[in-house]
Amino acid sequence: DGGITQSPKYLFRKEGQNVTLSCEQNLNHDAMYWYRQDPGQGLRLIYYSQIVNDFQKGDIAEGYSVSREKKESFPLTVTSAQKNPTAFYLCATWDRGMNGYTFGSGTRLTVV
Amino acid sequence: SQQGEEDPQALSIQEGENATMNCSYKTSINNLQWYRQNSGRGLVHLILIRSNEREKHSGRLRVTLDTSKKSSSLLITASRAADTASYFCATAEEKTSGSRLTFGEGTQLTVNP
Repeated sequence: DGGITQSPKYLFRKEGQNVTLSCEQNLNHDAMYWYRQDPGQGLRLIYYSQIVNDFQKGDIAEGYSVSREKKESFPLTVTSAQKNPTAFYLCATWDRGMNGYTFGSGTRLTVV
Repeated sequence: SQQGEEDPQALSIQEGENATMNCSYKTSINNLQWYRQNSGRGLVHLILIRSNEREKHSGRLRVTLDTSKKSSSLLITASRAADTASYFCATAEEKTSGSRLTFGEGTQLTVNP
């Protein structure tokens, strides 16, 4: 969606395993964001990065980790420390001068 | 913490009717935005209103902002079945200059044909 690719679309993980969600953009936007959405709920910010090699914790960072080694990529790792990881994960980008965020199509993670 | 809170949580109307959704927030904002989400998809940006603006239009959408009451409303006129979706308000706090958004819990709109 709009130059952002999130993969995979569906992901199943066994309890105790780490899993990495991919987010790649070709929009040349500086800022990238990871949000978590639970059924019937709004979005909660996990991590965000405003520039390469820098990122900040959002409101629910515990049990997650990120990296921003390239401008185009902002992978999210869901670690075994995340107690309730089953959710819909959305990646977004933004750049100065933009009116709003551009979102990817999301990854639905299910712990089995 | 939840910055934006939408009201109502769910709204069901007939095609052709107008739909109004409200959003309240707590802190000083740089701007307020509205997004739409179809089931199982990413969000799509609809409209942005800055803190010094009171009303904005885009096609069938009309957004108002009352900073004294810390509230906004989204009006969709002449609704269509294709408008069925969840609608979220999001606020960009003044201190972050719009780079970080906080989303509300959304209003699920159903437009019946």
